[in-house]
Amino acid sequence: GQQVMQIPQYQHVQEGEDFTTYCNSSTTLSNIQWYKQRPGGHPVFLIQLVKSGEVKKQKRLTFQFGEAKKNSSLHITATQTTDVGTYFCAGDSSARQLTFGSGTQLTVLP
Amino acid sequence: DTAVSQTPKYLVTQMGNDKSIKCEQNLGHDTMYWYKQDSKKFLKIMFSYNNKELIINETVPNRFSPKSPDKAHLNLHINSLELGDSAVYFCASSQGASPLHFGNGTRLTVT
Repeated sequence: GQQVMQIPQYQHVQEGEDFTTYCNSSTTLSNIQWYKQRPGGHPVFLIQLVKSGEVKKQKRLTFQFGEAKKNSSLHITATQTTDVGTYFCAGDSSARQLTFGSGTQLTVLP
Repeated sequence: DTAVSQTPKYLVTQMGNDKSIKCEQNLGHDTMYWYKQDSKKFLKIMFSYNNKELIINETVPNRFSPKSPDKAHLNLHINSLELGDSAVYFCASSQGASPLHFGNGTRLTVT
């Protein structure tokens, strides 16, 4: 079955440092979605990437979808304490089955 | 408010008991889901339900049974609870292949 690997599992950064999480799928994806879960909260949709090589930005967050549509990354520039949480990628195969990565738990030290 | 709402928020029970978690969405979505999140934050899909078609994750024990009285509700019934069932259970909904909207979660603790 489809597998989505995400690294790193944990990341501690000093406030102001950059952060990146990477996602790799065992199969080609029709699209990839990113979610953020604050501590004690529920996953909240951030963005969806559909096209090969697509890059999207949301303020300090930059999302990329690989040319082969099998990998993706989320980069946060100059982290803030409000960025704390777990970031999940979720790959959607052509079978319309969403598979979540294992998540990256981000801690931002003030 | 438009949302996915699930109850209860916390559920503490003893091994062997039967319990239910309820979920309702007023977003008009056609697909609803149950996800289990363990202590390491792994999100695993348990069930999806679309237009009376139930898709079951084969790794889910048959002690877990979803029930959908209508398109806006998907409840989860759990028989003979075990210690390993302790987790946070999230209900979610979507319209077709659109992104998921999650409920606030139910933290189940089995003692």
